[in-house]
Amino acid sequence: EVQLVETGGGLMQTGGSLRLSCAASGFTVSYNHMYWVRQAPGKGLEWVSVLYSGGVTSYADSVKGRFTISRDNSKNTLYLQMNSLRAEDTAVYYCASSNGFAFDHWGQGTLVTVSS
Amino acid sequence: DIQMTQSPSSLSASVGDRVTITCQASHDISNYLNWYQQKPGKAPKLLIYATSNLETGVPSRFSGSGSGTDFAFTISSLQPEDIATYYCQQYDSLYTFGQGTKLEI
Repeated sequence: EVQLVETGGGLMQTGGSLRLSCAASGFTVSYNHMYWVRQAPGKGLEWVSVLYSGGVTSYADSVKGRFTISRDNSKNTLYLQMNSLRAEDTAVYYCASSNGFAFDHWGQGTLVTVSS
Repeated sequence: DIQMTQSPSSLSASVGDRVTITCQASHDISNYLNWYQQKPGKAPKLLIYATSNLETGVPSRFSGSGSGTDFAFTISSLQPEDIATYYCQQYDSLYTFGQGTKLEI
């Protein structure tokens, strides 16, 4: 059974850093496209970043230069390093996977709150 | 950037009703469109990929159509468990979600 479990969320101060993890089971992270999607409280879904199976990465303009997506193949885990956090980064962060371009498996999400 | 405009933003319907949600892309995205369902406090769930393909295990009352810039998502006979927010998503150029449609009974 495919499972994604996000950890690492919490309360952070503006300007701080945080690293989210997404541990995968039931499939191999490096063979799939992996994504981060966030949802601010009461708002819609916003795509944040992608790490393609081939290693190429892309980011939403709102996080470019501040966030970095990566994976550890030995741990079958996806990461999101978040630097220079802003209040508008407050959201539930989901990781998701795809072997095409539909996000067919999702984690339960982890809440990041950024406050001054 | 490709913008996705979903309508309506909210919709009230009755059990058994046929419900249609539309999604318009700011540029031609061919058939590169997915639909997701999200229930309160839960992660989104993929329902339809590549405009009209039903994800495994999804009931056949859900369907999708369209191409280019105009797309539709239909529930043929609304069930109580379909109460959720629905999102379209393009993947022609990176990824963009529509703003969501909250479906209520």
